[in-house]
Amino acid sequence: IVLTQTPLSSPVTLGQPASISCRSSQSLVHSDGNTYLSWLQQRPGQPPRLLIYKISNRFSGVPDRFSGSGAGTDFTLKISRVEAEDVGVYYCLHSTQSPFTFGGGTKVEIK
Amino acid sequence: EVQLVESGGGLVQPGGSLRLSCAASGFTFSNYWIHWVRQAPGKGLVWVSDINSDGRSRNYADAVRGRFTISRDNDKNTVYLQMNSLRAEDTAVYFCIRGSKGWNGIDYWGQGNLVTVSS
Repeated sequence: IVLTQTPLSSPVTLGQPASISCRSSQSLVHSDGNTYLSWLQQRPGQPPRLLIYKISNRFSGVPDRFSGSGAGTDFTLKISRVEAEDVGVYYCLHSTQSPFTFGGGTKVEIK
Repeated sequence: EVQLVESGGGLVQPGGSLRLSCAASGFTFSNYWIHWVRQAPGKGLVWVSDINSDGRSRNYADAVRGRFTISRDNDKNTVYLQMNSLRAEDTAVYFCIRGSKGWNGIDYWGQGNLVTVSS
């Protein structure tokens, strides 16, 4: 399964929204009916951190300005109002089957 | 607090071996899958291997199958990644990650450990 993220880079003004797309080469619906698509954030010099799992569920401690949506093969991460601490690279990840695969990453930076 | 701490990385010559360790704390280790993911310098994330809670089920990426071996010691709350026949393209930061509970995925990440394969 190949995950393609767009855009590669997203310059955003502080306080403005940002949106990242992740498209899968095949459906991510598991045989159990769930869709195991996650979003991760990697701040500069830090390990990745889980933000969203199963398309739209925020992980523990994740601010509500982060939201996920989508179905089947097309998914979106939205940041409602970008803050300075949101700078970094965002990855989508599928865990529907082995091997798990990651998208290529989208760099969010401040204009 | 969930913690995963990797160790054992460093500089090794091509063809050499290293063993990474991942020491876990803050959760009931023996109930969770553990994964390894790597990130080459300036590049993206690549899943490497995983092991189930009792160590009987193990999976590997094609790029490392036959060269890397994952194992665990539930008495020591530690997972190992034995890396043999190392190549320059194995150079990366290796992250240890906890498998999630209740849904198929991964959640908490370690800080990572750098492995450099170079002569």
